[in-house]
Amino acid sequence: DGGITQSPKYLFRKEGQNVTLSCEQNLNHDAMYWYRQDPGQGLRLIYYSQIVNDFQKGDIAEGYSVSREKKESFPLTVTSAQKNPTAFYLCASSIQPGDTEAFFGQGTRLTVV
Amino acid sequence: KNQVEQSPQSLIILEGKNCTLQCNYTVSPFSNLRWYKQDTGRGPVSLTIMTFSENTKSNGRYTATLDADTKQSSLHITASQLSDSASYICVVISNDMRFGAGTRLTVKP
Repeated sequence: DGGITQSPKYLFRKEGQNVTLSCEQNLNHDAMYWYRQDPGQGLRLIYYSQIVNDFQKGDIAEGYSVSREKKESFPLTVTSAQKNPTAFYLCASSIQPGDTEAFFGQGTRLTVV
Repeated sequence: KNQVEQSPQSLIILEGKNCTLQCNYTVSPFSNLRWYKQDTGRGPVSLTIMTFSENTKSNGRYTATLDADTKQSSLHITASQLSDSASYICVVISNDMRFGAGTRLTVKP
């Protein structure tokens, strides 16, 4: 089936550790995005990538890093520098940058313990 | 201040009843507006898209309206079902996507 897959669904991390969230899509989309969702707030853009080997910071990039070595993969690393990492993380993709529809993965719930 | 404001924050209705969710935005320039449905612990799924020239669009029991002059949109749900319980997110597409905080709808039997 075509789609966008995030893994794992739940992730626990100790303070001070880096952790990487996986996002894979087989939709042949050029653009991919990472969002963070907190209760009572709209989705906030962390990073986005318009094409392979290129990515740009979003509104809240501090404490996060990404890579885009392959078109279908856009992993997000939550580093120990992120002060409040516990959140629900959503990955999305669209055919082209600025396309009107984004397709979302099922999300990863990260909890720092 | 968020450029996309949704109201109410949460809503509880009985199964079979209708409801209307509101979205006001200040995003400019405006390209189009989408309503997404997000089940708990899942990713959002698109319900409708409204372009500048469209006033209303239906998708089954969901009807979205748009007033581009007043920068308001609404999502009307008819004959609600238990499966309608979810968060409904308004997204305004400009140079990028701007998300509202969502309305949490609970449909009770």
